[in-house]
Amino acid sequence: GQQLNQSPQSMFIQEGEDVSMNCTSSSIFNTWLWYKQDPGEGPVLLIALYKAGELTSNGRLTAQFGITRKDSFLNISASIPSDVGIYFCAGRRVGSGNTGKLIFGQGTTLQVKP
Amino acid sequence: GAVVSQHPSRVICKSGTSVKIECRSLDFQATTMFWYRQFPKQSLMLMATSNEGSKATYEQGVEKDKFLINHASLTLSTLTVTSAHPEDSSFYICSVPLGGASSSTDTQYFGPGTRLTVL
Repeated sequence: GQQLNQSPQSMFIQEGEDVSMNCTSSSIFNTWLWYKQDPGEGPVLLIALYKAGELTSNGRLTAQFGITRKDSFLNISASIPSDVGIYFCAGRRVGSGNTGKLIFGQGTTLQVKP
Repeated sequence: GAVVSQHPSRVICKSGTSVKIECRSLDFQATTMFWYRQFPKQSLMLMATSNEGSKATYEQGVEKDKFLINHASLTLSTLTVTSAHPEDSSFYICSVPLGGASSSTDTQYFGPGTRLTVL
């Protein structure tokens, strides 16, 4: 099925470093959601974005809804070991009707070295 | 706290048997729930939309006779994998939209997932 282009695919960083990942699409979206998934668990919602240009923070996490409505990024500042996991972007595409279906990115695997 | 629960968290079954997975919305009523499947190191793949009071809507390529979905109440949807085979082994996750599937500000919350292993 259709997926968002999420990058990078994986990151291996030092504790304390900042992290940035993004999702892009050729389609316009009206909702962007960012999730974190730990091994063997379901995705946990981090940040939800609903308006173009919207910038929202959740602790050390900041995400933005791109002005073009075709992209979104997630930043993590001052990474810590518990940030390890897989981060997924998900969006609801304009024109998808009232199905509520989400399209997912391929995920970014983050590893943090203490 | 959790807003969506799944049961069981993991199940091992023999080939040919059927397995039922429950998804419950804990804090609110949900006329719609979604079922996903996830293979190792891959993203989530939407299987079907569970609709309370009507038939489920399946994504292209998903066998509706293989994966039976019943939205029994506003807080419960079940996924039954019928005549399971080893290739059905996967991580199954449900989600519940908060705000309504058609809401402009809907957010989806996921269950903890069910690991199915078919021997």
